[in-house]
Amino acid sequence: EADIYQTPRYLVIGTGKKITLECSQTMGHDKMYWYQQDPGMELHLIHYSYGVNSTEKGDLSSESTVSRIRTEHFPLTLESARPSHTSQYLCASSTTGWRDEQFFGPGTRLTVL
Amino acid sequence: QQPVQSPQAVILREGEDAVINCSSSKALYSVHWYRQKHGEAPVFLMILLKGGEQKGHDKISASFNEKKQQSSLYLTASQLSYSGTYFCGTASAGNMLTFGGGTRLMVKP
Repeated sequence: EADIYQTPRYLVIGTGKKITLECSQTMGHDKMYWYQQDPGMELHLIHYSYGVNSTEKGDLSSESTVSRIRTEHFPLTLESARPSHTSQYLCASSTTGWRDEQFFGPGTRLTVL
Repeated sequence: QQPVQSPQAVILREGEDAVINCSSSKALYSVHWYRQKHGEAPVFLMILLKGGEQKGHDKISASFNEKKQQSSLYLTASQLSYSGTYFCGTASAGNMLTFGGGTRLMVKP
């Protein structure tokens, strides 16, 4: 059973608000990821981290930022939410980037009004 | 560049077989397969590595043609629980996974 948690599960918020999506894993994985997924569509990598104090942007440009101060914690922040940010955000972790499976959290469904 | 999956959707009766394909224009080091049910997180099915190594579930089989940069996922004797969207993710050397557009599979009684 994968131990990766995301909060909140659902968030409805007004335009211009600052939000932080939380992601934590208890598996001791070095690598963590944030994906953005519109309903029924493919997953787009927006941020990833190789370990503490390491963050990189993914293939899909995003106005969000991330931090990795602790191995188990990889929060994503939007300074000023807009309706175009409405989507599902999935957090994942793995031991390697390409050789081992990724474990996904349950996701946060964000709606910006 | 995003891998291409085919077919985009397939409908099966219980007990029927299906093949889902994934192809890339890049030289690949690994191909991952995940299944996502509606409203849930993707769940790992299988990894195929360059050189022939595979990791995955006993009831799932897949192939990886390194020369053609193609992978196929074989679903045999399908069950209702197989319904969902199947994603392949491909990785080139030193790079993160890039996921395909998904194949929507529906198994009917």
